[in-house]
Amino acid sequence: DIRMTQSPASLSASLGETVNIECLASEDIYSDLAWYQQKPGKSPQLLIYNANSLQNGVPSRFSGSGSGTQYSLKINSLQSEDVATYFCQQYNNYPNTFGAGTKLELK
Amino acid sequence: QVKLLQSGAALVKPGDSVKMSCKASGYTFTDYIIHWVKQSHGKSLEWIGYINPYSGGTNYNEKFKSKATLTVDKSSSTAYMEFSRLTSEDSAIYYCARAYGYYYYVMDAWGQGASVTVSS
Repeated sequence: DIRMTQSPASLSASLGETVNIECLASEDIYSDLAWYQQKPGKSPQLLIYNANSLQNGVPSRFSGSGSGTQYSLKINSLQSEDVATYFCQQYNNYPNTFGAGTKLELK
Repeated sequence: QVKLLQSGAALVKPGDSVKMSCKASGYTFTDYIIHWVKQSHGKSLEWIGYINPYSGGTNYNEKFKSKATLTVDKSSSTAYMEFSRLTSEDSAIYYCARAYGYYYYVMDAWGQGASVTVSS
């Protein structure tokens, strides 16, 4: 199975800051990567697919980038409602696999 | 709007089976694949498998092939997952999720989750 390594495991940031979360795949996944946001006590929600395509209704302060084995999720101008755990998912290889998550908190 | 409503929490004994449901509304049930995903307490997500409600065809993660059985009832727009021979390792929250159109493994709508606790 492809291993998805997320970093950092947790981070603390201030309102208005820009945040970057990284996801490293154990092999090339050809941009078949999605990002999900999971707020405390809630189910995951799709943010980004195809590494950089924003899901309908997701604020434009979220963006994704990357290729090959390295991908990142960027949150511009952090809002209080962005407090959540973020997961990356590769769907290039069977079985699709998720990263361990990055917990984002407010400083 | 698209909704996936899952059955409630279950407390089951080791060795038992549990069957959970996922009722879809707000879209044509047979047009979209339904996935099942496991989230162990405080941990990451594991894909269990998917079912195509139109054909009944399934695809399982090898890890869960002998553990999970996916079915649907088209008449009630409901997907089911039966989990058998439960152990403490199966205690988790289980989600159903809809596939995002042709992006079969991207999940654009999720149920609220069903908690399963395995304890004697």
